[in-house]
Amino acid sequence: NAGVTQTPKFRVLKTGQSMTLLCAQDMNHEYMYWYRQDPGMGLRLIHYSVGEGTTAKGEVPDGYNVSRLKKQNFLLGLESAAPSQTSVYFCASSYSLGDTGELFFGEGSRLTVL
Amino acid sequence: EDQVTQSPEALRLQEGESSSLNCSYTVSGLRGLFWYRQDPGKGPEFLFTLYSAGEEKEKERLKATLTKKESFLHITAPKPEDSATYLCAVHWAGYSTLTFGKGTMLLVSP
Repeated sequence: NAGVTQTPKFRVLKTGQSMTLLCAQDMNHEYMYWYRQDPGMGLRLIHYSVGEGTTAKGEVPDGYNVSRLKKQNFLLGLESAAPSQTSVYFCASSYSLGDTGELFFGEGSRLTVL
Repeated sequence: EDQVTQSPEALRLQEGESSSLNCSYTVSGLRGLFWYRQDPGKGPEFLFTLYSAGEEKEKERLKATLTKKESFLHITAPKPEDSATYLCAVHWAGYSTLTFGKGTMLLVSP
């Protein structure tokens, strides 16, 4: 009954360090998404994937890279972290791309960049 | 200009005091409007999908309605456990995924 699992849940980085956030879903969903949520800004889409081996840019893709090598996993990478990337990151998955609107979200990964 | 605007930003109610949250949108070609609930420290959880003006959906003390330019989330006789941030999102012709509003933080006091 896991749904969408994100690791790690918390991370502190120094400016310039790199890291990868992992998202795993066990619902056999084709579509997966990475969002960031900042106070006063709402949820903003970083990148998404419409299937294994595919990725696409969202609203705020700069400074991030993603990969979807396996259907169940969607990785978000920061190559050189900046303080502006301090945020809460949410992964989500869905059966379809927006049609039903039912995205299943993970519990979030809180990243602080010093 | 935001494509999806939610109001108020925050709302404090007494237990049992009914009210409504608003979500207005300026996008064209609406394909669906969605409501989510988000508890502190958690990811959003899906509540409703509305597809056309006049449509209504209900779940316990919540009822969502849709007009041509806005949606309302009516909360009847709320309880403290209804306290959460409520997010509205739209799926429209010009964007392949959902566009979220900034949310309304609801606090229901006993």
